[in-house]
Amino acid sequence: GAGVSQSPSNKVTEKGKDVELRCDPISGHTALYWYRQSLGQGLEFLIYFQGNSAPDKSGLPSDRFSAERTGGSVSTLTIQRTQQEDSAVYLCASSPPGSGDEQYFGPGTRLTVT
Amino acid sequence: GENVEQHPSTLSVQEGDSAVIKCTYSDSASNYFPWYKQELGKGPQLIIDIRSNVGEKKDQRIAVTLNKTAKHFSLHITETQPEDSAVYFCAAKPGGYQKVTFGIGTKLQVIP
Repeated sequence: GAGVSQSPSNKVTEKGKDVELRCDPISGHTALYWYRQSLGQGLEFLIYFQGNSAPDKSGLPSDRFSAERTGGSVSTLTIQRTQQEDSAVYLCASSPPGSGDEQYFGPGTRLTVT
Repeated sequence: GENVEQHPSTLSVQEGDSAVIKCTYSDSASNYFPWYKQELGKGPQLIIDIRSNVGEKKDQRIAVTLNKTAKHFSLHITETQPEDSAVYFCAAKPGGYQKVTFGIGTKLQVIP
């Protein structure tokens, strides 16, 4: 079946602009995660949605970052007033119902802030 | 919170040799330990995982071992092939719907 998809695959924006990154999880998956991966670095947790529970936002680096998940499916990560240090690959993952252990990642969105 | 340390950060092996990557974790509540492989330009892909009720798990050329007492786990790749070249991440997670904590990653290069 279809995996996790993300759009756009690449985004170049000017410093100070807002950007929206989209994630379509695997159908039926109840949990959705956003991570940030800077060049040559590990995965930095940003935010986590599980069903109808309040999201875990503990990883968001500043109030310029926000995310929502509509209808328990598609999620949008919004970065306001982008800064050069926001340049990174933003990865989305989803997990099936049950234990919620296995995560399936999308290909990521490469964001470049000029 | 959980802290996962991974080493080495880079590893070069000759084709056919074995590769071992080691991780330690800090939270005794963690009971799920996945390993991910990330190829250039792609998202991480789950390759093997182990839960705290077992000490070892194998899948063809890859195996993972877990020592809960010492809080460390390792990935073993035997008979390495050039297509094994990638970045490998370990991770740890408590039970239930909790966030996953990843290691920093190991860049594996298999030299033909």
